[in-house]
Amino acid sequence: ETGVTQTPRHLVMGMTNKKSLKCEQHLGHNAMYWYKQSAKKPLELMFVYNFKEQTENNSVPSRFSPECPNSSHLFLHLHTLQPEDSALYLCASSQTGEKLFFGEGSRLTVL
Amino acid sequence: KNEVEQSPQNLTAQEGEFITINCSYSVGISALHWLQQHPGGGIVSLFMLSSGKKKHGRLIATINIQEKHSSLHITASHPRDSAVYICAATDKLIFGTGTRLQVFP
Repeated sequence: ETGVTQTPRHLVMGMTNKKSLKCEQHLGHNAMYWYKQSAKKPLELMFVYNFKEQTENNSVPSRFSPECPNSSHLFLHLHTLQPEDSALYLCASSQTGEKLFFGEGSRLTVL
Repeated sequence: KNEVEQSPQNLTAQEGEFITINCSYSVGISALHWLQQHPGGGIVSLFMLSSGKKKHGRLIATINIQEKHSSLHITASHPRDSAVYICAATDKLIFGTGTRLQVFP
């Protein structure tokens, strides 16, 4: 138990669906992150939020839309995804500049 | 060429062996993370270090900022150490491709 909870753990969606991934941390951290892990590829940073403000958008397509309503919650809204977007999506949190704490990940399959 | 390179990509060992995983990076960083990912995806942060050496149980991490190189050592390896080990360079959080370690009894 890392203190970072992601839901759902598994998601299957069609290309026309709209769904959201949720991440929650109760560690008092001020930074939250979304990462993508595709098969046979390194982890890729997608978005960073510091104190609810987006500070990094790593050239992510607009079909991925993050939302950080408060410092404990982070969402990734998904719409009109492609099959190549199928991957493990990992959320992490930290105090800025300190160790990362990861969630278990949400495994997404786009049909 | 990746800005963060790890070697070896795959590593097998007998229980009890001393293991070293290497990470070289070409970007300027203030610190480096070592992460452990078990089958199923869960990731645990092992170390974050900016200089010298850190030790936690049987794990030791070292970094040489001038040489842009870090190593993760596992002493007295055990089958439960089997996982993918990933280094990540701050501040842009660029990840290496990982080293898959299997320790056999």
